[in-house]
Amino acid sequence: DAGVTQSPTHLIKTRGQQVTLRCSPISGHKSVSWYQQVLGQGPQFIFQYYEKEERGRGNFPDRFSARQFPNYSSELNVNALLLGDSALYLCASRPIAGEITDTQYFGPGTRLTVL
Amino acid sequence: AQSVSQHNHHVILSEAASLELGCNYSYGGTVNLFWYVQYPGQHLQLLLKYFSGDPLVKGIKGFEAEFIKSKFSFNLRKPSVQWSDTAEYFCAATDSWGKLQFGAGTQVVVTP
Repeated sequence: DAGVTQSPTHLIKTRGQQVTLRCSPISGHKSVSWYQQVLGQGPQFIFQYYEKEERGRGNFPDRFSARQFPNYSSELNVNALLLGDSALYLCASRPIAGEITDTQYFGPGTRLTVL
Repeated sequence: AQSVSQHNHHVILSEAASLELGCNYSYGGTVNLFWYVQYPGQHLQLLLKYFSGDPLVKGIKGFEAEFIKSKFSFNLRKPSVQWSDTAEYFCAATDSWGKLQFGAGTQVVVTP
């Protein structure tokens, strides 16, 4: 079975631009979460989506937004990019949200570099 | 505020040595705890998790962790490491709806 997939693998943008990152969860998983991992730090929670609805948001500015589609894939959008947005963006999927015994399975991430 | 802290940022040890990585959490109420590992060039993988029951949890690849509620700790251990255990290790905690709070990570290097 395919794991969580993310695209693109790498991305280079300049300050002020906008970026869209994509995630496909494991088949049968309905919940997707996004995390930002800055070099030298642990992943930081950005969003959780379940059944196309936002179920949680981390401490990130409104420049960050996301959505989930009927097929449970998800997009993360970041507007007005700043140098500090350079990071590895991770997507994680789990069967449903709210079941704390579920394991979150992570994708390989998208490496975003902002110049 | 909820937080997870890891004691060491870098650990270097020789093959066959024992490994213990410290993790402390600050959470009110029920907490669920995880250790994830990130091998070079690979994505985050779950090593083990604790939700309830036996506080000594066994995971994959010979790893285990002990939940000590009175110390707010969830330390990871392996009796004898191998070169292939070189990786970054993350402790994480989750609240009632599953948002993962990660520690800063510990880079472990095992020398032959």
